Amino acid sequence: LAKTTQPISMDSYEGQEVNITCSHNNIATNDYITWYQQFPSQGPRFIIQGYKTKVTNEVASLFIPADRKSSTLSLPRVSLSDTAVYYCLVVFRTGANNLFFGTGTRLTVIP
Amino acid sequence: GAVVSQHPSWVICKSGTSVKIECRSLDFQATTMFWYRQFPKQSLMLMATSNEGSKATYEQGVEKDKFLINHASLTLSTLTVTSAHPEDSSFYICSEQSSNYGYTFGSGTRLTVV
Repeated sequence: LAKTTQPISMDSYEGQEVNITCSHNNIATNDYITWYQQFPSQGPRFIIQGYKTKVTNEVASLFIPADRKSSTLSLPRVSLSDTAVYYCLVVFRTGANNLFFGTGTRLTVIP
Repeated sequence: GAVVSQHPSWVICKSGTSVKIECRSLDFQATTMFWYRQFPKQSLMLMATSNEGSKATYEQGVEKDKFLINHASLTLSTLTVTSAHPEDSSFYICSEQSSNYGYTFGSGTRLTVV
């Protein structure tokens, strides 16, 4: 399983763009990069997934450089409700496999 | 998208009793479910992988006789914490693989053993 490294915590003011970078040096060819969000006392919730270059959905963008050894989750104009823990995971392409959760990044949005 | 229903959302039990946590896949047939445990301000740690119709696979350090997992159908997996003790108090979360790359998590169960 490819391990991931991300900052333990980040603070941001409301309305700002937040970028959380994750390192995954051992990522394999068939691995996808997936980000989850977790609020206190809730299960993780899927945010975005990508393989390479850039992926954008209604809540976030995911930037993946050509070597795929890192990725950056970008949250535009965060609000107080975005305060949560964000996990970066590397997911094997096929077959059921367990997910390895690293420390995650605890984002605190300040008014 | 896939929905996983987990019950109960919280439970308080006396030390020595057993507690059952259910995880239901509402719109997807989950061949495999995963059970995680999360202590306060810590990350999720995989406990076991539950395969429909066969025995669960437990991670190192997880007592299979204490944490009984049953996955009798494609839509239901249960985790029973037997003879619970205060140190078993934690947040338990189930998950299913809902696509080749996507996983859906239950809402979690907060277990408090008194």
